[in-house]
Amino acid sequence: VQLLESGGGLVQPGGSLRLSCAASGFTFSSYAMSWVRQAPGKGLEWVSSISASGGSTYHADSVKGRLTISRDNSQNTLYLQMNSLRAEDTAVYYCAKLPCSAGSCYSHFDYWGQGTLVTVSS
Amino acid sequence: DIQMTQSPSTLSASVGDRVTITCRASQSISSWLAWYQQKPGKAPKLLIYKASGLESGVPSRFSGRGSGTEFTLTISSLQPDDFATYYCQQYNSYSRTFGQGTKVEIK
Repeated sequence: VQLLESGGGLVQPGGSLRLSCAASGFTFSSYAMSWVRQAPGKGLEWVSSISASGGSTYHADSVKGRLTISRDNSQNTLYLQMNSLRAEDTAVYYCAKLPCSAGSCYSHFDYWGQGTLVTVSS
Repeated sequence: DIQMTQSPSTLSASVGDRVTITCRASQSISSWLAWYQQKPGKAPKLLIYKASGLESGVPSRFSGRGSGTEFTLTISSLQPDDFATYYCQQYNSYSRTFGQGTKVEIK
């Protein structure tokens, strides 16, 4: 299993960014996926999850309406569209795989990518 | 949201010590709890799932116990590779939450 995030960088407050996570080594279309972030020197925060089909999505209250998870199963790629970015969104963003298909399943994260850093600053 | 509280925040120990980290949930989460290990600059690594299930490839010196609201992660004999930060995570709801972390330092 390999998860490779990309798309991070420096963006001004109010700006937009799209993160990607390229998956390989497993049947991507069979598993739910998530984004988890970690602000510099801080703990882990779940951001969003999506079912295997992409039909169900879930977002943390802190990002609802601004960050949107999606996936392209034909390209084995997970996305996070980030709009109206704030300084408090500055973090390393990890994509993570769940060993189940429903985005709301009772499950841990069994594989993580290496992360991509998003910095929101003027 | 379910709040997860870990203790202690920092733990100083020596190689060979038995160490235990506690994680408490603000409401019952049955056994829907995982433990992760994270080293600086690296992604978290799954150690324990469903409170006591040892992830494949994880050394048997790691063990998890608990159900409901109180859980523990125990390292039976601390090894040099175990100095890291440990996080618990509940998945009783889709809004998965993590504890604040416990840093295990060299004494």
